Amino acid sequence: KAGVTQTPRYLIKTRGQQVTLSCSPISGHRSVSWYQQTPGQGLQFLFEYFSETQRNKGNFPGRFSGRQFSNSRSEMNVSTLELGDSALYLCASSLSGSEGTGELFFGEGSRLTVL
Amino acid sequence: AQSVAQPEDQVNVAEGNPLTVKCTYSVSGNPYLFWYVQYPNRGLQFLLKYITGDNLVKGSYGFEAEFNKSQTSFHLKKPSALVSDSALYFCAVTLAGDMRFGAGTRLTVKP
Repeated sequence: KAGVTQTPRYLIKTRGQQVTLSCSPISGHRSVSWYQQTPGQGLQFLFEYFSETQRNKGNFPGRFSGRQFSNSRSEMNVSTLELGDSALYLCASSLSGSEGTGELFFGEGSRLTVL
Repeated sequence: AQSVAQPEDQVNVAEGNPLTVKCTYSVSGNPYLFWYVQYPNRGLQFLLKYITGDNLVKGSYGFEAEFNKSQTSFHLKKPSALVSDSALYFCAVTLAGDMRFGAGTRLTVKP
C-alpha cells in the first residue's frame, strides 16, 4: 500500500510569490491534515479536510489556504510569501481524522525556503 | 484549551540502558494520546497510542508508554536503547477533533 506522497519535496521561492503544495493520501483515507514544522514553533496545525470539506482550522492567517478534491488528494496554497513561511510542511492522512481515534500517517514533507 | 508539554528538549542515554521520554498533558476530559518519531528529513511515524483500557501501551520497535491519569502524564519508555533509536520524538493529544503536538524531544543514544 503506497504511503502519503507530497510534492514537491523541496522548493525555493522569493518573498511575495505564492506556492502550492500537493498531498496524495493513502488509498481509502478521507482525512488530510496539514502541519507547519519550524525549529522555533515546532509542529503547528494548519487545517484538516475531510470529504472535500474543511473540518478544522488552526491559527494561521488567510494567506494559508487549502482544498481537497473528490479523490481525497489535497493541496495547500500560501500566497504573498514571507520569510517566516520557510518551513517543512507536512501532510498527514487518516481514515476518519479528528473525529476518530486512529493515528495519522505522515508524508515526508515539502521543505519551503523563502528568500 | 488543551496542551501537551515535553519538558526535556534533549535526552541522552547510553546504548543498552533504559530510556524515558517525558510527556504531560493538560485537557479537560478523556484525551487520546499518541507518540510519534521523526528521523532526519522525514515525516513523523506513529509509535503507539492510548485510547482507553490498560494504562501500559505497547508499540512499535519495542517502545511502550504508561498513561497516568492522576499525574496527567504519558511517558515513553524502552527497556534497552539502541543507537538507531536516536531521533526526534513527539507526544500528541487529541480531544474533540483538535490534535496538539508537544515541542519534541531529541533522543540521542550513544554507543
